[in-house]
Amino acid sequence: GQNIDQPTEMTATEGAIVQINCTYQTSGFNGLFWYQQHAGEAPTFLSYNVLDGLEEKGRFSSFLSRSKGYSYLLLKELQMKDSASYLCAVLDSNYQLIWGAGTKLIIKP
Amino acid sequence: DADVTQTPRNRITKTGKRIMLECSQTKGHDRMYWYRQDPGLGLRLIYYSFDVKDINKGEISDGYSVSRQAQAKFSLSLESAIPNQTALYFCATSDLRRGDYNEQFFGPGTRLTVL
Repeated sequence: GQNIDQPTEMTATEGAIVQINCTYQTSGFNGLFWYQQHAGEAPTFLSYNVLDGLEEKGRFSSFLSRSKGYSYLLLKELQMKDSASYLCAVLDSNYQLIWGAGTKLIIKP
Repeated sequence: DADVTQTPRNRITKTGKRIMLECSQTKGHDRMYWYRQDPGLGLRLIYYSFDVKDINKGEISDGYSVSRQAQAKFSLSLESAIPNQTALYFCATSDLRRGDYNEQFFGPGTRLTVL
């Protein structure tokens, strides 16, 4: 079966750095997405990785290792507004998105 | 104006009632999707459509039906609502012409409660 694992909840301090991990086992791979979702709101796109390596976009970076079935989202200089759930999703061989359950990130002052 | 809209935003209904959730988009995208989200679970795909004549079942289609009335409109129906269909429902779109990227854009969601 297809499976995406990410921690259920993480806590970090304002101004710090946090890394959210995602491991996946899917039938095929055509890229990995990270989305941010504030409580009760729609998910919004953060990043897309299809090749191994690190993609940096401002305070957020995303890393992919296809051989390990592993990705992480790195958030720097954390702000209170970064409190949200972070969803990892993999595009499988049928170009369908398979979603992880999300990681709820709590930022403390 | 929002690119992907959903109506209603909130709905409370009773067991056995037929409910329709509507989604409209102005992005000109070919692909449209319906998901449900439950606490502690990821987004689960109900139905998806790659164009007006192409409708496909997703992971959890039982108890649901859809209609793609036009490229811009995709409706989800619950034929006879039951309490375990209480969830947050999202419509999403993506653009086939962008190739394999398939980034999905989400509507604001419909919170459905079945009593």
